[in-house]
Amino acid sequence: RKEVEQDPGPFNVPEGATVAFNCTYSNSASQSFFWYRQDCRKEPKLLMSVYSSGNEDGRFTAQLNRASQYISLLIRDSKLSDSATYLCVVNREGIFGAGTRLFVKA
Amino acid sequence: DADVTQTPRNRITKTGKRIMLECSQTKGHDRMYWYRQDPGLGLRLIYYSFDVKDINKGEISDGYSVSRQAQAKFSLSLESAIPNQTALYFCATAEGTSADEQFFGPGTRLTVL
Repeated sequence: RKEVEQDPGPFNVPEGATVAFNCTYSNSASQSFFWYRQDCRKEPKLLMSVYSSGNEDGRFTAQLNRASQYISLLIRDSKLSDSATYLCVVNREGIFGAGTRLFVKA
Repeated sequence: DADVTQTPRNRITKTGKRIMLECSQTKGHDRMYWYRQDPGLGLRLIYYSFDVKDINKGEISDGYSVSRQAQAKFSLSLESAIPNQTALYFCATAEGTSADEQFFGPGTRLTVL
């Protein structure tokens, strides 16, 4: 089993939709979690950190479920500009999931 | 000027050649990382360094070596390049705590013929 796993998608959603991605991790001792966004052929950039109590940044909500060992990202009111690949990252060693592709269509 | 730079940005080489990819940062970060990205496989960690005297193998270190010449510089070498090392290579930096985000360079596209 890979250390960090994501559904590769693609997720095709209309503008205004709510979409959620999950990311599972195998190391129960993992301490830090992040979501990154990557546009085609560009470098990844931090979208948000994931805190134990869950956190929200505008239309984006990140949650951590330690018991089931996954993190989630919820995007509300999807915009065309949200189309990208979303990568989860676990721990200081920087273990990335393979990414989930999102396409938001008009 | 960019905080994390990578040179070269693109390189085409032949099987068996030695290649060095360089990464420099002006962020003053202790941690540096090398990743490769292949379609459908996301970013895979090759090597990482938490300070100048610390080098650690990542998930896919075979066929690669690194050198941390200074806090600001972290080089990746392919001693004898092979075609399946064709990929997009990213360097990243982070501060000294586990909660800190990684900042990525623009990437180096390497093609091994």
